[in-house]
Amino acid sequence: SQQGEEDPQALSIQEGENATMNCSYKTSINNLQWYRQNSGRGLVHLILIRSNEREKHSGRLRVTLDTSKKSSSLLITASRAADTASYFCATDDSTGNQFYFGTGTSLTVIP
Amino acid sequence: NAGVTQTPKFQVLKTGQSMTLQCAQDMNHEYMSWYRQDPGMGLRLIHYSVGAGITDQGEVPNGYNVSRSTTEDFPLRLLSAAPSQTSVYFCASRPYGTAEYEQYFGPGTRLTVT
Repeated sequence: SQQGEEDPQALSIQEGENATMNCSYKTSINNLQWYRQNSGRGLVHLILIRSNEREKHSGRLRVTLDTSKKSSSLLITASRAADTASYFCATDDSTGNQFYFGTGTSLTVIP
Repeated sequence: NAGVTQTPKFQVLKTGQSMTLQCAQDMNHEYMSWYRQDPGMGLRLIHYSVGAGITDQGEVPNGYNVSRSTTEDFPLRLLSAAPSQTSVYFCASRPYGTAEYEQYFGPGTRLTVT
């Protein structure tokens, strides 16, 4: 399987704190994406970082990518209760047609 | 725009029964895909299509068939359901041939095979 892994599996923090989750993957990539999934819903795209980028920001999100270590991290700053969800990383193969999702991090933000 | 729609939302099948999960999108996306999500496994790609008449296998294609006769629709067929196919199924779409890789997901179909 080329599925990536995310760490930690579960994370519980207080509102206002920062949340960091990590993703490791197995093969070379074109892009890495992060998605959010609220309970019982479909996935929603958050941010994409290309293989030639090292860091990207979008609002309260900061993503880093280290292709030498085959890893990425997602930082959510000043967390809110509404950020409670599962977060998944996804990588694509060289054709851009097949996508491999990580196992996910379940984030709980306590008000 | 309705985005990506999936029917049914829930389905219970007996082992050996067949059924079709429906997926439609109204964004004129060429690329469509099916995933299954199992606890602790994340999403795994079953089949994908890059346009009408073109389909290909993903990571876990066994036991599933797909066809793509129109840009809008991408049904997933289970020919003979097995308990191992109990899962939540997601359909997704995105533009193809561009630098846009963001996938738009449907709300999912929860399938139980007894």
